[in-house]
Amino acid sequence: GAGVSQSPSNKVTEKGKDVELRCDPISGHTALYWYRQSLGQGLEFLIYFQGNSAPDKSGLPSDRFSAERTGGSVSTLTIQRTQQEDSAVYLCASSRTSGRYTGELFFGEGSRLTVL
Amino acid sequence: GIQVEQSPPDLILQEGANSTLRCNFSDSVNNLQWFHQNPWGQLINLFYIPSGTKQNGRLSATTVATERYSLLYISSSQTTDSGVYFCAVERDNYGQNFVFGPGTRLSVLP
Repeated sequence: GAGVSQSPSNKVTEKGKDVELRCDPISGHTALYWYRQSLGQGLEFLIYFQGNSAPDKSGLPSDRFSAERTGGSVSTLTIQRTQQEDSAVYLCASSRTSGRYTGELFFGEGSRLTVL
Repeated sequence: GIQVEQSPPDLILQEGANSTLRCNFSDSVNNLQWFHQNPWGQLINLFYIPSGTKQNGRLSATTVATERYSLLYISSSQTTDSGVYFCAVERDNYGQNFVFGPGTRLSVLP
């Protein structure tokens, strides 16, 4: 597509339920990033995928969080046994890479998660 | 890891005023971008500027990589410029993620 697409745009769930958030990056972009933004706060890095390399998972806050990227394109972020502190906007971004250089980062509109 | 600082944290301007936002980073970088997050939460690319100077309308940016800072200039500010401005850097090492500064919250009053 023309831009980074995320779904759902809004998700309300009950504490303890699992949720899946989807990101479809810009076609041809090999790098994909997930960030989290709590209300009024900055962007917190979660996970980074680059081509076929092992993902950088260093930002995942707990083992309840996981992400995968199938076929080098679409990515799914899964949060198991959601807690109220997981409530935030989850942002996905993608970029083109050329050798060691990363191009411009483009963001989707985010998925707003509310855990009741 | 690399540290990114932004100043000022908050800025209130009267419409028509000019402003300068600053981003300092603690290590050499491969990539630096400025974003504007509008009141609806959308992150909009302003500049991709690992070094040098760029201009786009009323906005311009300068990055001095050797001194580890970047500046974003907003001239003749408008109420639609309100929001949060973030700088993000990618450390000068292949395969690093982008680190975001804490942002500058700008309010432009009519």
